Amino acid sequence: NAGVTQTPKFRILKIGQSMTLQCTQDMNHNYMYWYRQDPGMGLKLIYYSVGAGITDKGEVPNGYNVSRSTTEDFPLRLELAAPSQTSVYFCASSYPPGTTTNEKLFFGSGTQLSVL
Amino acid sequence: LAKTTQPISMDSYEGQEVNITCSHNNIATNDYITWYQQFPSQGPRFIIQGYKTKVTNEVASLFIPADRKSSTLSLPRVSLSDTAVYYCLVGEDRGSTLGRLYFGRGTQLTVWP
Repeated sequence: NAGVTQTPKFRILKIGQSMTLQCTQDMNHNYMYWYRQDPGMGLKLIYYSVGAGITDKGEVPNGYNVSRSTTEDFPLRLELAAPSQTSVYFCASSYPPGTTTNEKLFFGSGTQLSVL
Repeated sequence: LAKTTQPISMDSYEGQEVNITCSHNNIATNDYITWYQQFPSQGPRFIIQGYKTKVTNEVASLFIPADRKSSTLSLPRVSLSDTAVYYCLVGEDRGSTLGRLYFGRGTQLTVWP
């Protein structure tokens, strides 16, 4: 199993450009999440999904959009990039509730995004 | 969702035992305590989870007193490779609330030779 795979690893955008951060997992997890981590700070939840076709906002959703057409994929879309969106973005997934006694998050290796 | 307080940073030397304490005064009855580890340029990784008393696995031990208002992550005989940020999370670790657990700034542990 590859686990949670994120692409690209690095990206530089100009203000106003758009892009999609890709996330895919091969563990058949229903739950998937997007976080951002600013330098020296913890993680903040952007959006999450409890299954294909179902998404919901997290703590900091403004400026982002998501979709979940399949169990495996959960892309994050930035429509009009702003310098405030410069951050490291992490995708994570988890087992459905009640399927394990140690429910935990599995993270990808992140995407470093700079908006200049 | 309960927030947590933990030291911003800690230093240790190789071979020592390291104890990182986390305060969570508002912990609820259904809340679990979970610790994650994050290396530079990587996503966090699950270390250990507990509800009360003591939990031990191959990586660490987690001590939780009876009132559950704090917890201590214990790393035995640390090495340079244990240098990382350690996050303490508290919440009802089920379903959609799992992803909304509060990741604070964590504790930067630096292990020196």
